[in-house]
Amino acid sequence: EDQVTQSPEALRLQEGESSSLNCSYTVSGLRGLFWYRQDPGKGPEFLFTLYSAGEEKEKERLKATLTKKESFLHITAPKPEDSATYLCAVQAYNFNKFYFGSGTKLNVKP
Amino acid sequence: DGGITQSPKYLFRKEGQNVTLSCEQNLNHDAMYWYRQDPGQGLRLIYYSQIVNDFQKGDIAEGYSVSREKKESFPLTVTSAQKNPTAFYHCASSMGASLYGYTFGSGTRLTVV
Repeated sequence: EDQVTQSPEALRLQEGESSSLNCSYTVSGLRGLFWYRQDPGKGPEFLFTLYSAGEEKEKERLKATLTKKESFLHITAPKPEDSATYLCAVQAYNFNKFYFGSGTKLNVKP
Repeated sequence: DGGITQSPKYLFRKEGQNVTLSCEQNLNHDAMYWYRQDPGQGLRLIYYSQIVNDFQKGDIAEGYSVSREKKESFPLTVTSAQKNPTAFYHCASSMGASLYGYTFGSGTRLTVV
């Protein structure tokens, strides 16, 4: 069964304290893995797409990496404005739809 | 600016009533989707449409209905058959095979009173 698991459920960091969020997936034929940021009461905002193992993408303090079984979202020297829920989603080749994880709620304290 | 507009932002429904959530996009995207999100949970697919006049059930379609008469519009009706409709509803769209991910609207919070 295709599924996506994110960990931890919640993460509290001090400003400047780097860490990583994990997204483990099982899917029959990965077409793409996506990271989104979601602020409270808003829709998800697209961050990255990764297509193959070994691929990396960066945007400001965020860096996403992909292996055959999981993806990491590394946050370097986070700031309070990075506080949000980060969602991971995978797309399989056999269906044109996404499977979303339940997200990691990140809280960065000043 | 191109984007997806969902309305209303907040919606209240009495038990036994049907209610329709609006979703309009001006991105010229072929595919549109409806997701449901419950507190602390991920998004679950309700319905999706890859082309006008065609749509497919997602994982939790029971108690919901959709239409796709125009490329720009994909309204979702929450019927009285949906026993637990209180949730946050997200509409999204994508180009063709969604290789670039989704563009989401700002969501609608539905509460049954």
